[in-house]
Amino acid sequence: EDKVVQSPLSLVVHEGDTVTLNCSYEVTNFRSLLWYKQEKKAPTFLFMLTSSGIEKKSGRLSSILDKKELFSILNITATQTGDSAVYLCAVGPNDYKLSFGAGTTVTVRA
Amino acid sequence: GAGVSQSPSNKVTEKGKDVELRCDPISGHTALYWYRQSLGQGLEFLIYFQGNSAPDKSGLPSDRFSAERTGGSVSTLTIQRTQQEDSAVYLCASSLAGLATDTQYFGPGTRLTVL
Repeated sequence: EDKVVQSPLSLVVHEGDTVTLNCSYEVTNFRSLLWYKQEKKAPTFLFMLTSSGIEKKSGRLSSILDKKELFSILNITATQTGDSAVYLCAVGPNDYKLSFGAGTTVTVRA
Repeated sequence: GAGVSQSPSNKVTEKGKDVELRCDPISGHTALYWYRQSLGQGLEFLIYFQGNSAPDKSGLPSDRFSAERTGGSVSTLTIQRTQQEDSAVYLCASSLAGLATDTQYFGPGTRLTVL
């Protein structure tokens, strides 16, 4: 059975701190790993990673994939209160079916 | 352009009633997905439509759940004889061609509460 495990389950930081979120996976057939930010209901797409060692960056967010050790990290630097959300990791074992982790809840306090 | 839309945004129903949830995907997207997110849980895949191919229903939790996609666009998820454990947020997503490298764009979801 495919497994996607995210850690920590939740964390609380202060504005300006850096956070690192982890996602490890075990899937039968890996194609890509995706990160989403979920506020209220709909997840919004952040990154798609398909190759090891290539860092993707978008503003204060960055992510990297290690296909040998089967994990990815998502970093958020200089956190702001607007970064408070649930961050979801998903792995695509085939062309269309994503297996999601339970998410990491990030709370950024002013 | 317009994103994925879902209706209703909230639905409260009594145990044993049937409910219908609607999803309008992004125009031109051939792939459509339904997911369920229970409180404190990750997203759970329910069903996948791709063009005119037979849908992948492998994630549907029971035969009380069914889904249709008419004309390759709008989709309806139907839950018959609802149970309290069906309470969750039901999310719909669409993507351009259904490839793993395609981005899935999510709708705002329907929060279903079964009393």
